[in-house]
Amino acid sequence: AQSVTQLGSHVSVSEGALVLLRCNYSSSVPPYLFWYVQYPNQGLQLLLKYTSAATLVKGINGFEAEFKKSETSFHLTKPSAHMSDAAEYFCAVSEGDFNKFYFGSGTKLNVKP
Amino acid sequence: DTGVSQNPRHKITKRGQNVTFRCDPISEHNRLYWYRQTLGQGPEFLTYFQNEAQLEKSRLLSDRFSAERPKGSFSTLEIQRTEQGDSAMYLCASSLWVYAGLSSYEQYFGPGTRLTVT
Repeated sequence: AQSVTQLGSHVSVSEGALVLLRCNYSSSVPPYLFWYVQYPNQGLQLLLKYTSAATLVKGINGFEAEFKKSETSFHLTKPSAHMSDAAEYFCAVSEGDFNKFYFGSGTKLNVKP
Repeated sequence: DTGVSQNPRHKITKRGQNVTFRCDPISEHNRLYWYRQTLGQGPEFLTYFQNEAQLEKSRLLSDRFSAERPKGSFSTLEIQRTEQGDSAMYLCASSLWVYAGLSSYEQYFGPGTRLTVT
């Protein structure tokens, strides 16, 4: 079975500071990994995805993530936080046939002015 | 491409009543998924369709829950005899799956239907 652990349910950074949101996964098969962002009362929007190509993945809004197989991690980073980045972020892993995603419990990002 | 749409956006119902939600996926997508998200948690998989066939159901989907996708386009999720524990956000997603690894992989989510059972 696959699972995702997101360390830190709440992360607070100052505007302009580095954003680091952690995601570790477990998978018995080569994983496909995703980061989604959710704003209040909205659905999930895809930020980026890893599908066995380059291990450093760039996404929208300046976010990127690095797949590290040895650490079973897929942490999300952004060099400089913006107020508009305040939202909840979910890491997800899918099975080989992409028939369902397993989501982490989410990390709420707060950006202080 | 208008994205995935869900109706209604909000539903308040009394315990014991039946409710039905609708999801319209992106038009060319052949896979449709239902997830449930409770407060402070990530979405949990409920079921998915490929075209009109329901291929998998989670253990979370009790006998009171039923989902259909009759013509391989829109889908409905019905909850019978609602309980307070059913209060959650119900999310629908769609994707394009193509055999032999040519899929785009990601799922596109709708805005969700927030159910409150009183």
